[in-house]
Amino acid sequence: ETGVTQSPTHLIKTRGQQVTLRCSSQSGHNTVSWYQQALGQGPQFIFQYYREEENGRGNFPPRFSGLQFPNYSSELNVNALELDDSALYLCASSLGGAASSSPLHFGNGTRLTVT
Amino acid sequence: GDSVTQMEGPVTLSEEAFLTINCTYTATGYPSLFWYVQYPGEGLQLLLKATKADDKGSNKGFEATYRKETTSFHLEKGSVQVSDSAVYFCALSVTDSWGKLQFGAGTQVVVTP
Repeated sequence: ETGVTQSPTHLIKTRGQQVTLRCSSQSGHNTVSWYQQALGQGPQFIFQYYREEENGRGNFPPRFSGLQFPNYSSELNVNALELDDSALYLCASSLGGAASSSPLHFGNGTRLTVT
Repeated sequence: GDSVTQMEGPVTLSEEAFLTINCTYTATGYPSLFWYVQYPGEGLQLLLKATKADDKGSNKGFEATYRKETTSFHLEKGSVQVSDSAVYFCALSVTDSWGKLQFGAGTQVVVTP
């Protein structure tokens, strides 16, 4: 069973640039969620994709956008980067459906630094 | 809105000591509750979960009981090891948006030999 993999592991960008982060979901999982974890904080929900459609969004501006592909992998795109976007970005996959108790399986994250 | 509050760290313990990390929540409806653990340099791993009142989740010697009357889900372990050093996050599933988790701020646990 392949777990959740994210790429790249580390990234340094300049304020105002754009970035794309990638995530491959665990085998058999059809739902991908993205979280932002600032240093010393708990993860904050950005959005979730289920069957290629956005299925819930947290309190993040529209410059945070995403995609899910037919193989259930996903991308997180952030435009017009700001210094406060520096964080660990976590991708998590799960089985979709009505079961909110379906646990999330997290990748190791992408550490984004904006200078 | 839904929220999770957990005790601040760091919590420093000697090996074989008893560990308790307090977690309380506010939620509408009946959320599922989770404890996740994050080892240095790694992503979050599900430690245990409980889906309804009075359920007890357990894994790797850790336990937590879903207490609806006190809106709590405290994590306990009877005898910690150095390898338990990590950051522990309490979380609930947001009831109006399945699959979305609301996390607490995390509690760092440091176990010394």
